[in-house]
Amino acid sequence: QVQLVESGGGQVEPGGSLRLSCSASGFTFSDYYFNWVRQAPGKGLEWLSCISTSGMTVYYADSVEGRLTVARDNDHDSLSLEMNNLRAEDTAVYYCARKSRLGLGELSHFDYWGQGILVTVSS
Amino acid sequence: QSVLTQPPSVSAAPGQQVSISCSGSSSNIGKNYVSWYQQLPGTAPKIFIYHNDRRPSGVPDRFSGSRSGTSATLAITGVQAGDEADYYCGAWDNSLSAWVFGGGTKLTVL
Repeated sequence: QVQLVESGGGQVEPGGSLRLSCSASGFTFSDYYFNWVRQAPGKGLEWLSCISTSGMTVYYADSVEGRLTVARDNDHDSLSLEMNNLRAEDTAVYYCARKSRLGLGELSHFDYWGQGILVTVSS
Repeated sequence: QSVLTQPPSVSAAPGQQVSISCSGSSSNIGKNYVSWYQQLPGTAPKIFIYHNDRRPSGVPDRFSGSRSGTSATLAITGVQAGDEADYYCGAWDNSLSAWVFGGGTKLTVL
């Protein structure tokens, strides 16, 4: 069955950096686009980034562009997110989500989500 | 401020019908498919409607989606206590080259 498992969360000091990973199993990882989405405590969903099957095309939300780098390793079925210069407002649960192949690349909907991982930015 | 606009909350008594609206623009809902996600408390979102009006297997047929122009609607008939959750609409925005979500609507079953 499809599984997406995020790791690498925890507490980070303001101004610091974080690196999250998303490990995938149960399907052919290289066939799918992936996204990162976050949710601040008590708030709605915020899309962060979308990466193509090859990793050659990456879209970023304006709110995080310049601080965020997303990459994938198709040989190891994994996705990564690196964010620097962290602020208190980056405190959130971070989800990796798979794009369905029923749609067209980045336009498609999210058909599977990881369980999410909490990142807390605090001194 | 979300690009897609949803009401913050809706409520309905068990067995009644309720609708959740999602208003966008010609660069998102007006051009691309809308999807809807259900998020139960403390869990990850789950796809409930895709391609405006398609239900994934396992989603009850009490849930239906529609799109007209630059707006979309999620309708739930025969509301049940287990439907109490947050619902989000989403679509790709061609102008922003970004995925956009609505702010979410909390469904309360009275």
